[in-house]
Amino acid sequence: DQQVKQNSPSLSVQEGRISILNCDYTNSMFDYFLWYKKYPAEGPTFLISISSIKDKNEDGRFTVFLNKSAKHLSLHIVPSQPGDSAVYFCAASHTGNQFYFGTGTSLTVIP
Amino acid sequence: NAGVTQTPKFQVLKTGQSMTLQCAQDMNHEYMSWYRQDPGMGLRLIHYSVGAGITDQGEVPNGYNVSRSTTEDFPLRLLSAAPSQTSVYFCASSSNDSGNTIYFGEGSWLTVV
Repeated sequence: DQQVKQNSPSLSVQEGRISILNCDYTNSMFDYFLWYKKYPAEGPTFLISISSIKDKNEDGRFTVFLNKSAKHLSLHIVPSQPGDSAVYFCAASHTGNQFYFGTGTSLTVIP
Repeated sequence: NAGVTQTPKFQVLKTGQSMTLQCAQDMNHEYMSWYRQDPGMGLRLIHYSVGAGITDQGEVPNGYNVSRSTTEDFPLRLLSAAPSQTSVYFCASSSNDSGNTIYFGEGSWLTVV
């Protein structure tokens, strides 16, 4: 059973606009969340993280929001750039080392 | 900066053959893990290790063996390859000191025919 879900397989956004990628989880014990970005033929690379003691974490154009009551997190990219086009995975953990990943959302930023 | 190194990058196996995917990290991370990525399935954890001499099963461990004799190395063994093991495999490492951020290798593309 998938404990971390990304229900949108793909998303297209115009350059300069906001991209919002969503992630839902079922395990209330999860207390640490990560977002990864993956280009074709490469390994995933770390983007941003958030622990359950926070509801928001920001790093440049990237902001992650956590809603614990809804078991939902989202990644906002603003402004979106063509180089952001990639597959984005969210991941969750409650032990700090065993992470469960979502199925990914393919983002296309249209110039 | 080597980070996490996986070999081979590409491999074709016949059903029933065995092989080992190698993984090494030079960051002195205590945690290492193997994931497989399949279309529509995301990244699924196969096996992981919290330190040398300690391994445990992840979500999809069947058909795979691992060992962790040193901190640096975490090989993944397929004893008798099956077509269902055709996938992209990623090795990863992390550490409490790195804020539990997972660092991935570049992937190994395995096809079993």
